[in-house]
Amino acid sequence: EAQVTQNPRYLITVTGKKLTVTCSQNMNHEYMSWYRQDPGLGLRQIYYSMNVEVTDKGDVPEGYKVSRKEKRNFPLILESPSPNQTSLYFCASSLSMGKRYEQYFGPGTRLTVT
Amino acid sequence: GESVGLHLPTLSVQEGDNSIINCAYSNSASDYFIWYKQESGKGPQFIIDIRSNMDKRQGQRVTVLLNKTVKHLSLQIAATQPGDSAVYFCAETPGGDSWGKLQFGAGTQVVVTP
Repeated sequence: EAQVTQNPRYLITVTGKKLTVTCSQNMNHEYMSWYRQDPGLGLRQIYYSMNVEVTDKGDVPEGYKVSRKEKRNFPLILESPSPNQTSLYFCASSLSMGKRYEQYFGPGTRLTVT
Repeated sequence: GESVGLHLPTLSVQEGDNSIINCAYSNSASDYFIWYKQESGKGPQFIIDIRSNMDKRQGQRVTVLLNKTVKHLSLQIAATQPGDSAVYFCAETPGGDSWGKLQFGAGTQVVVTP
């Protein structure tokens, strides 16, 4: 089944404890992206990747890191999480940059930082 | 995309009626405009897109209209069904130096009543 998977789905952590949220797609998509969703603000793009080893900042990259060492994986790293990073996070992928608007989303990761 | 604060605008529609969801955008350089649907507890799902050089595009039961003069985008859903109940987001690809980005509006809650 073609899908985007994220792990973990739920995470409660404490301020300053490094964490990684994994994202994997099995569709051989070139373009991948991370978003955070907060009430009333829609989805805001954190980082995106046009292909392996090519990443760029979205609108809210502060406090996050990403890497794209393999085409299928695009982990999101929070080196020192803070309470304002409590949010619902979505990973998405699309076939190519030319189709970047037609994104397939994962199920989401709900992160709480205390 | 639009920003409407903490409370999503809500559109209540009777089953079988047509729905019209509106979105204002601000970037005249955006090259694609897109509609996504998000059901409760799930990631967003691509519905339809329209390129900036078009003013109308039709899909299955949906029509997207683009008015570049007033920077307005709308999604029309014909014969609304209970399964159409969801939050609907407009999004845009900014173009220019930000051509890899995807920017979402805050969303509209659609509630279908029997």
